[in-house]
Amino acid sequence: KAGVTQTPRYLIKTRGQQVTLSCSPISGHRSVSWYQQTPGQGLQFLFEYFSETQRNKGNFPGRFSGRQFSNSRSEMNVSTLELGDSALYLCASSFKGNYGYTFGSGTRLTVV
Amino acid sequence: QQQVKQSPQSLIVQKGGISIINCAYENTAFDYFPWYQQFPGKGPALLIAIRPDVSEKKEGRFTISFNKSAKQFSLHIMDSQPGDSATYFCAASQYSGGGADGLTFGKGTHLIIQP
Repeated sequence: KAGVTQTPRYLIKTRGQQVTLSCSPISGHRSVSWYQQTPGQGLQFLFEYFSETQRNKGNFPGRFSGRQFSNSRSEMNVSTLELGDSALYLCASSFKGNYGYTFGSGTRLTVV
Repeated sequence: QQQVKQSPQSLIVQKGGISIINCAYENTAFDYFPWYQQFPGKGPALLIAIRPDVSEKKEGRFTISFNKSAKQFSLHIMDSQPGDSATYFCAASQYSGGGADGLTFGKGTHLIIQP
């Protein structure tokens, strides 16, 4: 059974640019959540999508957005990148979005 | 506001010993308490989880102890092995009918098992 797949694994962007990260959940999982991991703030919840609808959102500015497609694949977009957006972005999927989250290996974003 | 406090920040245990990591939470609406293990370059992997109606759960060498009145829970790793060396995160979430409100994580414990 394939796990959660995130692409790309590494990304370097310039301040002010925008970036799109992709996540393919485990087959059959309908919920996809996104997290930001930094040494200072730790793991922080960004948002969760279930059946193409955003159900919950963490305390991040509107520059962070996402969407989910009918096949449950999800994308996360960050516009007007800032140096502080440099982080490991993790995607997690679960069957119904309540418990049992499985994480991908993440996308390491570096903003220069 | 940090809703889940984890301690210690780092821990060194001898091979074969017991590793103990503690977490305390503030939000009494939390109803799911998982522990995750993370190796460098990898995403967190679910180790074990508990619901508040149970005081203890054991899976192999890993045990969660849960104290609802004290709003605390802990992870015990018995017979710790060098392969257990990793960063461990406690977390909590609440299910509000419209899906879980995301996992709130502790800051992590860097565990080193010395051979």
